[in-house]
Amino acid sequence: DQQVKQNSPSLSVQEGRISILNCDYTNSMFDYFLWYKKYPAEGPTFLISISSIKDKNEDGRFTVFLNKSAKHLSLHIVPSQPGDSAVYFCAASGGTGANSKLTFGKGITLSVRP
Amino acid sequence: EAQVTQNPRYLITVTGKKLTVTCSQNMNHEYMSWYRQDPGLGLRQIYYSMNVEVTDKGDVPEGYKVSRKEKRNFPLILESPSPNQTSLYFCASKTNRRGTEAFFGQGTRLTVV
Repeated sequence: DQQVKQNSPSLSVQEGRISILNCDYTNSMFDYFLWYKKYPAEGPTFLISISSIKDKNEDGRFTVFLNKSAKHLSLHIVPSQPGDSAVYFCAASGGTGANSKLTFGKGITLSVRP
Repeated sequence: EAQVTQNPRYLITVTGKKLTVTCSQNMNHEYMSWYRQDPGLGLRQIYYSMNVEVTDKGDVPEGYKVSRKEKRNFPLILESPSPNQTSLYFCASKTNRRGTEAFFGQGTRLTVV
């Protein structure tokens, strides 16, 4: 059973516009959510995170929104740049006896068109 | 520089020939983990370790072994590799504190023929 779902496999946006990447989860015990970015031939790198006690966290062009009642989070990138083209993974942690474990979604491939 | 180092980066092997992929981190992290990435399946956890001598199965442990004899090292062992283990493998480390980020290695591209 997939606990972290990224239902859209890909997204294409124009440079300068907003990119919105969505993520849903099923385990209500998750209390931290993280986004990772991955370029080809490299390991994933941490981008931004949010605690379940917050509904928004912002870092420069990147903002993550959390809707706990809907078990939904989204990553907004504004403005989008060609260098943002990558695979984005949503991850969640928490739950009984699993404070450290990260559960990942399948990833979304973002393409930013110049 | 804080980093997670995997070796080798690329490996082609034959079915049944035992191999080990090494992983080392220099951040004194308690938690280490192995993932495999396959098209359409994302990152799936193979094994993880909360600390020295403490390991547990992830979501796809079949065909793999791990050991954690030292805090910095977490090797992944394939005793008898099969073609369905052809994949891109990532090692990661983090602290055991809630909500902390994981640091990933560069990946190991394994092909089993």
